[in-house]
Amino acid sequence: AQSVTQLGSHVSVSEGALVLLRCNYSSSVPPYLFWYVQYPNQGLQLLLKYTTGATLVKGINGFEAEFKKSETSFHLTKPSAHMSDAAEYFCAVKLGFKTIFGAGTRLFVKA
Amino acid sequence: EAEVAQSPRYKITEKSQAVAFWCDPISGHATLYWYRQILGQGPELLVQFQDESVVDDSQLPKDRFSAERLKGVDSTLKIQPAELGDSAMYLCASSLSDRNTGELFFGEGSRLTVL
Repeated sequence: AQSVTQLGSHVSVSEGALVLLRCNYSSSVPPYLFWYVQYPNQGLQLLLKYTTGATLVKGINGFEAEFKKSETSFHLTKPSAHMSDAAEYFCAVKLGFKTIFGAGTRLFVKA
Repeated sequence: EAEVAQSPRYKITEKSQAVAFWCDPISGHATLYWYRQILGQGPELLVQFQDESVVDDSQLPKDRFSAERLKGVDSTLKIQPAELGDSAMYLCASSLSDRNTGELFFGEGSRLTVL
């Protein structure tokens, strides 16, 4: 069965520092991979996705993620954090017709 | 920009009462999802429709929850009777198809508080 693990329920960085949010998945075949962001009391919106092809994918707001098949990982990064990046981030995998989500990582950005 | 519409945004009810949530997906999206998100957790799929047919409702507590998408467009999720543990955000999402590689488009959610 497929599963998604996000390491760290909370991550705190200083403004301007590197953001790294970790995601590992468990699947017998490479799934489609997604990162979503959720602001307080709102729905989720897509940051980026990996389906096939280039393993480094770029998304909105300066985020990017790299699919590493050997590590079954899809970590999310941003070179320089901004205060507006403070939110909850969810990694998701889609295999077949099902999409499942990780438990989420809340990102705090300190001034 | 097309959006997924949900109502109500907030609902406060007492336990044992009935509650209903409505969702209107993006026009042309064949697949509709209802997720439940408990505070501090990721979304958990309750039910998935492809057009008017249920594709997956394995995690739907069928003794108290029901969902329908009669004409394959908008959808209603009902809880009767509500229990304290049902307090959560109920998220509706849609996608073009359940077989493509595309992402889910989410509404703003309906936050339920059961007293």
